Amino acid sequence: GENVEQHPSTLSVQEGDSAVIKCTYSDSASNYFPWYKQELGKGPQLIIDIRSNVGEKKDQRIAVTLNKTAKHFSLHITETQPEDSAVYFCAASVGNEKLTFGTGTRLTIIP
Amino acid sequence: NAGVTQTPKFQVLKTGQSMTLQCAQDMNHEYMSWYRQDPGMGLRLIHYSVGAGITDQGEVPNGYNVSRSTTEDFPLRLLSAAPSQTSVYFCASSYVSPGGEKLFFGSGTQLSVL
Repeated sequence: GENVEQHPSTLSVQEGDSAVIKCTYSDSASNYFPWYKQELGKGPQLIIDIRSNVGEKKDQRIAVTLNKTAKHFSLHITETQPEDSAVYFCAASVGNEKLTFGTGTRLTIIP
Repeated sequence: NAGVTQTPKFQVLKTGQSMTLQCAQDMNHEYMSWYRQDPGMGLRLIHYSVGAGITDQGEVPNGYNVSRSTTEDFPLRLLSAAPSQTSVYFCASSYVSPGGEKLFFGSGTQLSVL
């Protein structure tokens, strides 16, 4: 089955700087890659996703890039703000199959 | 719209006790799932359902039971609690878009088994 590795496990950045979280996947048939954000005491929430026929997708300060050849995808957050502090999970799936999640990255924004 | 509602938020059990975690959704989604979240292990799928009367096992199903009698409700039963089941449990409802599955999570149940 699919295996998703996520790095780093913790990340601290100064407010206003950029943050990058990387994930690799094992199944070359995977074609859907969402990112979820989990704030303290809450359940994860979908923030952005990308399909394998697209190399990059942006939504305001958040972007996701995909490299199908290397089987990795990344979340980029620019101009970080205190409300970006959270745990972020990447995931991958083949078609409509169940998602396989990465192990999570705890992002801390330092004021 | 309440979304996905989980109860209780916190629970402490003794080894061997049984209990049911409740989950209800009001988004009319066909799919519902249960995940557990453990430090360093991400979100792991326990059981899921693609519609009323249909359930299937996920990655870590042992020690848990589910049923789906209605579209709205998807309870998770711990048959005989063990310390290894200490975790945070999330219920999710979902739909499948042209891209893939989009999950909507509840706020979680923190379970401790002593």
